[in-house]
Amino acid sequence: GAVVSQHPSWVICKSGTSVKIECRSLDFQATTMFWYRQFPKQSLMLMATSNEGSKATYEQGVEKDKFLINHASLTLSTLTVTSAHPEDSSFYICSARASGYEQYFGPGTRLTVT
Amino acid sequence: GEDVEQSLFLSVREGDSSVINCTYTDSSSTYLYWYKQEPGAGLQLLTYIFSNMDMKQDQRLTVLLNKKDKHLSLRIADTQTGDSAIYFCAESSHSGSARQLTFGSGTQLTVLP
Repeated sequence: GAVVSQHPSWVICKSGTSVKIECRSLDFQATTMFWYRQFPKQSLMLMATSNEGSKATYEQGVEKDKFLINHASLTLSTLTVTSAHPEDSSFYICSARASGYEQYFGPGTRLTVT
Repeated sequence: GEDVEQSLFLSVREGDSSVINCTYTDSSSTYLYWYKQEPGAGLQLLTYIFSNMDMKQDQRLTVLLNKKDKHLSLRIADTQTGDSAIYFCAESSHSGSARQLTFGSGTQLTVLP
């Protein structure tokens, strides 16, 4: 149990376009979802925390107008990278938490902006 | 803020034991985790330990926690080539209503045949 999926797994987009990444908890209800960004050979950096039905809480330095997060249901959160630029190219990982302490991670989405 | 540190690389021979070390600064950490990440994949939770425990063993994995020194280690017995991956330690801190994770930089484990 406790499976989290992400879609797409890999996306290439042109500079200036927007990209939406979905994160789904497949077999449990996630009251909280987290979005992380990981640069090559580096650790995960928390971007934002979202609770179902409320606005996301962004970490310092993360532009909320650029990285739009929607957590409309207990099984789905989306991250939209607006007006993407090459420096936004990264590996984006979501995680989901039910009521306990454990976070379950998705497989990640590799975004390449050309 | 909280800080979690790990050495970047570790190489061992197949069949030997691997020990990956981690230090953290947040004395209020309640849970400490070890995650495994294979190339191009997300994170897989290997094990975790509650802060009032000193040791936890799960098959080939042994976690040791020295809360006084804020030192956490992961020992992998009989290391196999399939154990080659990046291992992240993480500590759980509380921020508002959400329990967040702070990750270390990751240790690249290479298992040599």
